[in-house]
Amino acid sequence: KNQVEQSPQSLIILEGKNCTLQCNYTVSPFSNLRWYKQDTGRGPVSLTIMTFSENTKSNGRYTATLDADTKQSSLHITASQLSDSASYICVVSGAGTYKYIFGTGTRLKVLA
Amino acid sequence: GAGVSQSPSNKVTEKGKDVELRCDPISGHTALYWYRQSLGQGLEFLIYFQGNSAPDKSGLPSDRFSAERTGGSVSTLTIQRTQQEDSAVYLCASSLGQGQFRYEQYFGPGTRLTVT
Repeated sequence: KNQVEQSPQSLIILEGKNCTLQCNYTVSPFSNLRWYKQDTGRGPVSLTIMTFSENTKSNGRYTATLDADTKQSSLHITASQLSDSASYICVVSGAGTYKYIFGTGTRLKVLA
Repeated sequence: GAGVSQSPSNKVTEKGKDVELRCDPISGHTALYWYRQSLGQGLEFLIYFQGNSAPDKSGLPSDRFSAERTGGSVSTLTIQRTQQEDSAVYLCASSLGQGQFRYEQYFGPGTRLTVT
């Protein structure tokens, strides 16, 4: 069964600190991997997308990495801000399909 | 331009009642998706529309769930004889077309359904 697993489930950090969120997947054949940010009461918003040939992608203070061999991805947040408090969801698509397979997310809380 | 909108934002209903959830996709987006997000769970695919037709209904959990799309635009998800396990956030997304990463899915804010 295709799965996407994320860790940790939740994380609390102080404003200004860095953090790294993890995603492991078993989806095969693999097409692409996205990281989404979901604020409370809102729909998910895409942060980055990577195909199998890409191993890093940045979007401002967000940097995603992908190791297609080990089927692992990470999202690194630099110099965290209070507005980074949200759920971060890893989403994987298989080759030849439009379907997204969603992880359960990491709930990040940034404290002042 | 306007994003994906959904209504109502919150719905509380009694067990056994029918509910209708509405999704207005981004203008010009031909593909539309419904997902369900239960507490502590990842988003679960329900159904996909291309235009007005639904080539993939495989995610609908039971025959109490149905959806339609008219005019290649607005979609309605109907849940008949609601059960407490139907309580969740129902998210709608739309994209320019279907297929892989070329067409990004844009999500609405969701409808939070509570069945009492």
